[in-house]
Amino acid sequence: EAGVAQSPRYKIIEKRQSVAFWCNPISGHATLYWYQQILGQGPKLLIQFQNNGVVDDSQLPKDRFSAERLKGVDSTLKIQPAKLEDSAVYLCASSQPTGFATEAFFGQGTRLTVV
Amino acid sequence: GIQVEQSPPDLILQEGANSTLRCNFSDSVNNLQWFHQNPWGQLINLFYIPSGTKQNGRLSATTVATERYSLLYISSSQTTDSGVYFCAVRGFMDTGRRALTFGSGTRLQVQP
Repeated sequence: EAGVAQSPRYKIIEKRQSVAFWCNPISGHATLYWYQQILGQGPKLLIQFQNNGVVDDSQLPKDRFSAERLKGVDSTLKIQPAKLEDSAVYLCASSQPTGFATEAFFGQGTRLTVV
Repeated sequence: GIQVEQSPPDLILQEGANSTLRCNFSDSVNNLQWFHQNPWGQLINLFYIPSGTKQNGRLSATTVATERYSLLYISSSQTTDSGVYFCAVRGFMDTGRRALTFGSGTRLQVQP
């Protein structure tokens, strides 16, 4: 069974530029998450989707971050414009629908460096 | 929202030693997972354990949901066990929605 796929693996951009990350969840997983992990910290939830609807985006900095999951499968996370403090690993995860409280699986992440 | 605390924050072991990592959480949960983050940043699923005890080789985990804690046991540690261990629980956030919330991790270094 294929795991959660993310791309790119690494990205270096200058501050004020824009960047986009892509995630393809495990087949059949309705719930998709984006997490931000700053060096030395645990992952922090940015946004949670169930199918193509947003379940929770309370911790997403909406002035610069946006995310979509138009067809209820893959998802993109965008940052525009980027700031130095956005340097982090961005992790995508998926699981079965939240009502079943099942196991979440993570992709390899995208390491973003803003210079 | 739910709070997750892990201890100890850092642990250094000699190869072959045993260790216990602890995860405390502040509210009821319906999911608890332990992960190992390898040096390349990948989160590897170790256990999905909302309650009870599970074992997988040299690793085992116990969750006592009624007392709001979980323990991860590593026996006969090896250098490949080095990395950061995270506990994550599905509990209510301030929004009233459930989400997977991580602790700050235990950084383990196993020396040869």
